[in-house]
Amino acid sequence: SQTIHQWPATLVQPVGSPLSLECTVEGTSNPNLYWYRQAAGRGLQLLFYSIGIDQISSEVPQNLSASRPQDRQFILSSKKLLLSDSGFYLCAWQTDWNTEAFFGQGTRLTVV
Amino acid sequence: KNEVEQSPQNLTAQEGEFITINCSYSVGISALHWLQQHPGGGIVSLFMLSSGKKKHGRLIATINIQEKHSSLHITASHPRDSAVYICAVSSGGGADGLTFGKGTHLIIQP
Repeated sequence: SQTIHQWPATLVQPVGSPLSLECTVEGTSNPNLYWYRQAAGRGLQLLFYSIGIDQISSEVPQNLSASRPQDRQFILSSKKLLLSDSGFYLCAWQTDWNTEAFFGQGTRLTVV
Repeated sequence: KNEVEQSPQNLTAQEGEFITINCSYSVGISALHWLQQHPGGGIVSLFMLSSGKKKHGRLIATINIQEKHSSLHITASHPRDSAVYICAVSSGGGADGLTFGKGTHLIIQP
């Protein structure tokens, strides 16, 4: 069956520290992968989208980056976290843009 | 860019009540998703629909493409239905991802 793993579930990091969130998908190949973020009081917003290995598109400018080193692995990174990076980060995948979406458990990041 | 509005933002009801959550969007879509988010944060897909009506257990989702509106109904509500319900739409290619509403926080009291 298809599953998606995202870790860690919670993270508290100091300002200026690096970040690495990982997401892996099982049970499917060549998925469309997404990173979303939910800031306090707002809906989920698209950060990054990937249709294949090393193919990343960014929706909004920020100090975050994403990489897809393997077909079913999607990584969200930052070299130096800002207070404004705090929020709920969610990895998701779809077989195609017009199909059911599957979501990870999410990571609640607090930058202090 | 599509804008997704949900109402109400918060809803508290008694066990057994019929619940309706509404979603409207501004631009034509290819599909609409209803999602459920529990306090732990995980999100589960309830429905994906592009026309008509779908039913799963006590949950019913309807969509009116002409009016750009969808509703999620819960019959015979139960405290375990307490969660945040999120409407999301896909209106373009994969690069646009999903556009989400802010969610409806539902509490069902015993």
